[in-house]
Amino acid sequence: DQQVKQNSPSLSVQEGRISILNCDYTNSMFDYFLWYKKYPAEGPTFLISISSIKDKNEDGRFTVFLNKSAKHLSLHIVPSQPGDSAVYFCAASDSQTGANNLFFGTGTRLTVIP
Amino acid sequence: KAGVTQTPRYLIKTRGQQVTLSCSPISGHRSVSWYQQTPGQGLQFLFEYFSETQRNKGNFPGRFSGRQFSNSRSEMNVSTLELGDSALYLCASSDRGTGEGLSSYEQYFGPGTRLTVT
Repeated sequence: DQQVKQNSPSLSVQEGRISILNCDYTNSMFDYFLWYKKYPAEGPTFLISISSIKDKNEDGRFTVFLNKSAKHLSLHIVPSQPGDSAVYFCAASDSQTGANNLFFGTGTRLTVIP
Repeated sequence: KAGVTQTPRYLIKTRGQQVTLSCSPISGHRSVSWYQQTPGQGLQFLFEYFSETQRNKGNFPGRFSGRQFSNSRSEMNVSTLELGDSALYLCASSDRGTGEGLSSYEQYFGPGTRLTVT
């Protein structure tokens, strides 16, 4: 049972435009969300995170939005660059359980076209 | 600081065999988690070790086991390998202990071990 879902397996965007990657979750107890970026033959790299007490977190070209009522988060990349081409995973955690395991989506492959 | 290292990077085994994978976390990190990545399934949590104790476990059969040493290095073992065990196995470390801030949920991943079972 996939508690974190990324329904778009792939996304192509022109360089300089906005990339929007979406993620949905089912567990209302999740209170911390993260985005990871993965290049081939490398492990995932932490990108940005957001706590459930916020609805937006920004770091340079990357902004994560959280809509708790819809159980939905999104990652915006503006402007998109060819080096952003990678697989992006969203992940979620329930900090109240004390567990340190992250629940990951299946990933979205972003291709930024020069 | 050196990153998370995993050995070996690639491994080919046959059905029925057993395999041991190794992970060295970032210096100072006491938590080590293991994940299995397969196409279409994303990353699935196997287990987490903290201070030599298994703290959490995912929904995997008992053929999957692990341990952690006093220097925080961790090993993962899979016995009686099946074809479906072919995957990328990722190790992640964090500095999360207990009662710490949410930012400590940020886990740092190694490059993974690609296991192929034939």
